[in-house]
Amino acid sequence: AQRVTQPEKLLSVFKGAPVELKCNYSYSGSPELFWYVQYSRQRLQLLLRHISRESIKGFTADLNKGETSFHLKKPFAQEEDSAMYYCALSLPNNDMRFGAGTRLTVKP
Amino acid sequence: GAVVSQHPSRVICKSGTSVKIECRSLDFQATTMFWYRQFPKQSLMLMATSNEGSKATYEQGVEKDKFLINHASLTLSTLTVTSAHPEDSSFYICSASIPALGQFFGPGTRLTVL
Repeated sequence: AQRVTQPEKLLSVFKGAPVELKCNYSYSGSPELFWYVQYSRQRLQLLLRHISRESIKGFTADLNKGETSFHLKKPFAQEEDSAMYYCALSLPNNDMRFGAGTRLTVKP
Repeated sequence: GAVVSQHPSRVICKSGTSVKIECRSLDFQATTMFWYRQFPKQSLMLMATSNEGSKATYEQGVEKDKFLINHASLTLSTLTVTSAHPEDSSFYICSASIPALGQFFGPGTRLTVL
């Protein structure tokens, strides 16, 4: 079954500290993975997708097929990074599977 | 906990017919639910915010009469695509909001209009 797991519901770090939001997936095919972010009182928005291999707002995520992971990382967290982060898996028919989300709080 | 279901998971209909999609929060009450549309290879697009007991708030460009949303109870929101056309074929996802915990997404509904 296709599944996305975000093991941490809450994650709290201090400003300037590194942050890693974990995402593991279960899928037998070639995955296409995304990270979405929702800032307070704003709509959900795409943060990055693995196929573009880009860095958005200092965040990166590397697909590790061996570990079936797509962890989101940032070397120095900022207070404005506080938000809900959702990892998502896109299936070949364009259906999406979302993780439960991780609430990141960056403390001053 | 915090499970959101959608029904049906897939639906195929003829052009001109109406299709109803249900979104249920199974183990919690949700005063606010969201309806998204997923275009191929693109990000989710928020269609509307559904509030229990009141009218839904639609995003700009989303036709209210085309996509009827009803949130009659704290555990159920429905999206009815009226007079569906092939361009309405898409993947529709709902989510239910729990304050301070975020949104919990349903598995999605694949609509195909022939």
